[in-house]
Amino acid sequence: DTEVTQTPKHLVMGMTNKKSLKCEQHMGHRAMYWYKQKAKKPPELMFVYSYEKLSINESVPSRFSPECPNSSLLNLHLHALQPEDSALYLCASSRLAGGRGGEQYFGPGTRLTVT
Amino acid sequence: KQEVTQIPAALSVPEGENLVLNCSFTDSAIYNLQWFRQDPGKGLTSLLLIQSSQREQTSGRLNASLDKSSGRSTLYIAASQPGDSATYLCAVRGEPGAGNQFYFGTGTSLTVIP
Repeated sequence: DTEVTQTPKHLVMGMTNKKSLKCEQHMGHRAMYWYKQKAKKPPELMFVYSYEKLSINESVPSRFSPECPNSSLLNLHLHALQPEDSALYLCASSRLAGGRGGEQYFGPGTRLTVT
Repeated sequence: KQEVTQIPAALSVPEGENLVLNCSFTDSAIYNLQWFRQDPGKGLTSLLLIQSSQREQTSGRLNASLDKSSGRSTLYIAASQPGDSATYLCAVRGEPGAGNQFYFGTGTSLTVIP
C-alpha cells in the first residue's frame, strides 16, 4: 500500500475561522511533508517532519501550525488565513527525510479557499 | 540555491508519437531525482526515481535518464496515449549539507491528441 490520504478534499473558510487539514500514511514512513501549490506552479515546501519532530520550516507564517501526533499522522492547523493562502495543500511522505529517504509519495491534496 | 527548469513548458503531440521531456538543475550535488505526473487539481503520482549513481530507470513506456555532471535529466515516453495528458514535474533531492530536500521543476504540460 503506497497510499497517502488527506482530508478534507475541499475546504472553504473565512479569514476568522480555525480549521485543520489531516494527512495519514501507513507505509511506516518516518518523514512527512506539507507543500503548498498555487495554480500552474510547482509545489512549494512548507514543513518537513522527521521522526515526528519538525526538521524544516520554510519561513512559513505562524497562521499555519503543523503538528505530527504520531508517525502516521500529520496535521496542519489553520487560523486567520488570508485570501492569498487559497491553494492546493499537498501532504507527502518518504521512508526517511534524508537523501536515503527514497521516493516521496503524495496525497491527493486539499483544495483550500479562503473567503 | 538549487534551481530546476523544465523545457518546454507545454507540449502537444499526436497520439502514438514518442516524446522527450527535459529537466535541468543548477547544482549537481544531488542525491536523487524523481519524476511525477499531476492531473489537474490532483496530487502527484510518482513515475520514476533515479539515484545519482544511476544513468537511467525504466518503467513500462517510460524511461528516465540522468546526467548528473551536466545537470540534466530526460523523461522519454514511448507511443504516447491520450491518457498520458498531464503535467510532468521533476524534483531533485540535494545531498546532505547541500539543501537536503526536494526542489521541484517548473513542469511541462503535455497534451496527447487522439
